[in-house]
Amino acid sequence: DAGVIQSPRHEVTEMGQEVTLRCKPISGHNSLFWYRQTMMRGLELLIYFNNNVPIDDSGMPEDRFSAKMPNASFSTLKIQPSEPRDSAVYFCASSLAGGQADGYTFGSGTRLTVV
Amino acid sequence: GESVGLHLPTLSVQEGDNSIINCAYSNSASDYFIWYKQESGKGPQFIIDIRSNMDKRQGQRVTVLLNKTVKHLSLQIAATQPGDSAVYFCAEDSGNTGKLIFGQGTTLQVKP
Repeated sequence: DAGVIQSPRHEVTEMGQEVTLRCKPISGHNSLFWYRQTMMRGLELLIYFNNNVPIDDSGMPEDRFSAKMPNASFSTLKIQPSEPRDSAVYFCASSLAGGQADGYTFGSGTRLTVV
Repeated sequence: GESVGLHLPTLSVQEGDNSIINCAYSNSASDYFIWYKQESGKGPQFIIDIRSNMDKRQGQRVTVLLNKTVKHLSLQIAATQPGDSAVYFCAEDSGNTGKLIFGQGTTLQVKP
C-alpha cells in the first residue's frame, strides 16, 4: 500500500496566485481530513469528508479556502487568492471509519510558501 | 474552551533511559486519545491509542497512561533510542467523530 499520497511536496507561489493541493487517500478508506501545520498554531483541522461528503468545514480559515472530493480516491484543497500567511505544511489524512485512529494515516504533506 | 496542551515543549534524555511525555486535555467528553510521532519532513505517524474506559495500554516499548480524574495523558517510551527523536503529539477525539484535536507537541531529543 502506497499510503496517503499528496502532491506537490513543495509549492512556492506569489501572493494572489491560486494554489491547488492534491490528495489521494488509501484505497478503501472512507474518511478524509485536511490539516494545516504551523509553528504558531500547530496542527489544525481544516475540513473532513465522510464518503466524499464534507462533514465539518468549520476549520476552513476563510472563503479563500475551498475543498472538494469528487470521488473516493481524490481530494483537492484550493486557496484563491493565496496570501503569505497561508504559508504552512498542509497534510491530508484518511481513515477507514470515523474515530478509528489506528486507521488514520497521514500523507507526507505539502509545504506551501507564499511570497 | 476545549484544548489539548503539552506540559513541556522539549525533553532531552540519554539513550537507554526511559522517556515520559505528558499531555493535559480539557474536554471531559473526550473518549479516545492518540499519540503521534512526527519526524522532520514527514507526516504524523500513529504510535498508540487508548479509550476512556481504560487507564493503561501497552505497545512495543511504549505505554500510554490515562488519568481521567485530572484529565492527563502520558506516553512512556522504554529504553529510548536515537530513532525516537521526533516531535510527539497527543490528540483527542470526542464523540467518536474522527475529528482529532492535536496538542502543540513535545520535542524529544535523545543524546547518544
